[in-house]
Amino acid sequence: NAGVTQTPKFQVLKTGQSMTLQCAQDMNHEYMSWYRQDPGMGLRLIHYSVGAGITDQGEVPNGYNVSRSTTEDFPLRLLSAAPSQTSVYFCASTAKNTEAFFGQGTRLTVV
Amino acid sequence: AQTVTQSQPEMSVQEAETVTLSCTYDTSESDYYLFWYKQPPSRQMILVIRQEAYKQQNATENRFSVNFQKAAKSFSLKISDSQLGDAAMYFCAYKSYGNNRLAFGKGNQVVVIP
Repeated sequence: NAGVTQTPKFQVLKTGQSMTLQCAQDMNHEYMSWYRQDPGMGLRLIHYSVGAGITDQGEVPNGYNVSRSTTEDFPLRLLSAAPSQTSVYFCASTAKNTEAFFGQGTRLTVV
Repeated sequence: AQTVTQSQPEMSVQEAETVTLSCTYDTSESDYYLFWYKQPPSRQMILVIRQEAYKQQNATENRFSVNFQKAAKSFSLKISDSQLGDAAMYFCAYKSYGNNRLAFGKGNQVVVIP
């Protein structure tokens, strides 16, 4: 049972480069979300999706895009990376009335 | 939006002793969930314990227990018989009953002293 699979685990980008963080879940959960974790800030919601074809912004959406073409996949795109996007990113999947299940996280460094 | 507050960014506890982490939250809702997540150095987010707001009984999972005070909007975590493996960052989180968005506190770093 894989749960939530998030890739890559580590990434270094140059300012201005683009990349996609992948997230897939095999639990048939409708709700998926992306968080970023910064020291002393906890986890902050970037974008979320309540089902295939439906996405919405969270607390810190600027600089990130998402799409949800299938129930299983919810990729996060950085179109033009900035040093301020250096962070640890988590994908999470949630069924109604349960806790969130998290991927293993991606440590992203933008230089 | 709900806010979750965790004070005391770092706490130390002797091995085998007890430590309590505090969490308060702000909400106007009556139905919701509360969680404590553990994040060890591996970075993985691990669910420690959950509490449904409609349940008056405090949740317990082995050495972990909570003190849920709904009127005071308080949700503290007690770790009994602390072990070296308990050393981690602990996050308190709130989830509305009607949607799946989680609001996190800023975390408590727990250091276990042998």
